[in-house]
Amino acid sequence: EPEVTQTPSHQVTQMGQEVILRCVPISNHLYFYWYRQILGQKVEFLVSFYNNEISEKSEIFDDQFSVERPDGSNFTLKIRSTKLEDSAMYFCVARREQYNEQFFGPGTRLTVL
Amino acid sequence: QQQVKQSPQSLIVQKGGISIINCAYENTAFDYFPWYQQFPGKGPALLIAIRPDVSEKKEGRFTISFNKSAKQFSLHIMDSQPGDSATYFCAASIDSNSGYALNFGKGTSLLVTP
Repeated sequence: EPEVTQTPSHQVTQMGQEVILRCVPISNHLYFYWYRQILGQKVEFLVSFYNNEISEKSEIFDDQFSVERPDGSNFTLKIRSTKLEDSAMYFCVARREQYNEQFFGPGTRLTVL
Repeated sequence: QQQVKQSPQSLIVQKGGISIINCAYENTAFDYFPWYQQFPGKGPALLIAIRPDVSEKKEGRFTISFNKSAKQFSLHIMDSQPGDSATYFCAASIDSNSGYALNFGKGTSLLVTP
């Protein structure tokens, strides 16, 4: 069973539209993250989430981004008004409290036209 | 400022050879150094990781060498196989309760030829 699943696998949207990316980690994960990877570039940290609040965020994670875990299961990343430069692979990542390993989901490829 | 610098950008190794990828970091507070392997279309997967209290860690054909004074660490893949062809990322983070964000290097594309 994969540690983290993500939906959709590919999202195409128009510039200025809102998108919500979803992630379902297995239940014993306590730390959650979003990273992104622009095609051919390195993986970049966006935000970490613990105990139902943001614990750390990067410069990339501006007011256009938000995260929540509304039902204690799904973990979502919302981009309010997408820009062309938001096109990237977005990875949901989860970590158990006692271990260091961060488990990457398969990613959602976001294409902004 | 790039906190983790990785080299080379690409690497071609013959089957059976040794692949070596190097990383250097700036922040002396980093205390967790993982290596991730990524195949095309997949998310990165943890390969091996080390903490600064040891200078070397070996798991099968994969070894991390760590030099705390030089702020450098490297991945060695012994007896490289075509199936090892992938992109490898080094990373570093501070092990804390505040977030534990991974700072990645730019990646090394490894091709192992038959």
